[in-house]
Amino acid sequence: GDSVTQMEGPVTLSEEAFLTINCTYTATGYPSLFWYVQYPGEGLQLLLKATKADDKGSNKGFEATYRKETTSFHLEKGSVQVSDSAVYFCALSDRSVEGSGYALNFGKGTSLLVTP
Amino acid sequence: AAGVIQSPRHLIKEKRETATLKCYPIPRHDTVYWYQQGPGQDPQFLISFYEKMQSDKGSIPDRFSAQQFSDYHSELNMSSLELGDSALYFCASSSGAKLFFGPGTRLTVT
Repeated sequence: GDSVTQMEGPVTLSEEAFLTINCTYTATGYPSLFWYVQYPGEGLQLLLKATKADDKGSNKGFEATYRKETTSFHLEKGSVQVSDSAVYFCALSDRSVEGSGYALNFGKGTSLLVTP
Repeated sequence: AAGVIQSPRHLIKEKRETATLKCYPIPRHDTVYWYQQGPGQDPQFLISFYEKMQSDKGSIPDRFSAQQFSDYHSELNMSSLELGDSALYFCASSSGAKLFFGPGTRLTVT
């Protein structure tokens, strides 16, 4: 079935460092891809999304490009801040799979800690 | 802007008891999703409803049931609770591909 694999954490970076969190997917159809962020003690917030190949999602300095040839959707940010410390989840929904609706399949999550 | 509301935010139950979690979607959203997130785990899709009918089913145990009411709010009913049911339960609503998640209900089974 459809699945998402993302790099294991925790990832620890100094403030202003460059961030990459790898995410690859397996899907039978043409999925939409998402990055969600979960701050400590809070719910899931949509960070960015891309719905077709070569789309680039971006928000709050974060970017990810939907790469069909490498089945990847890596999350990047040029200069992280302490406030970016959170758990990041890569997710996909594959509406082309019968009965899947818009339900999301999540990766295991990557914990990011940014130190001053 | 209105967000997804879940109640209660925290719930403590004993083994073999029942629990009911409620979800109030964003106004005009017609689809509700339920997810379970165990400690340190990724969210797992349980079940969803579109226009008050079950639309998709994930890894929801037979001990759990859910429904969506005429006002679009949804309830997740959990019976014969087990220790392993202790988790954060998220509800999300949408009117398309973009899901908005609620803050979650933290269920602790003792």
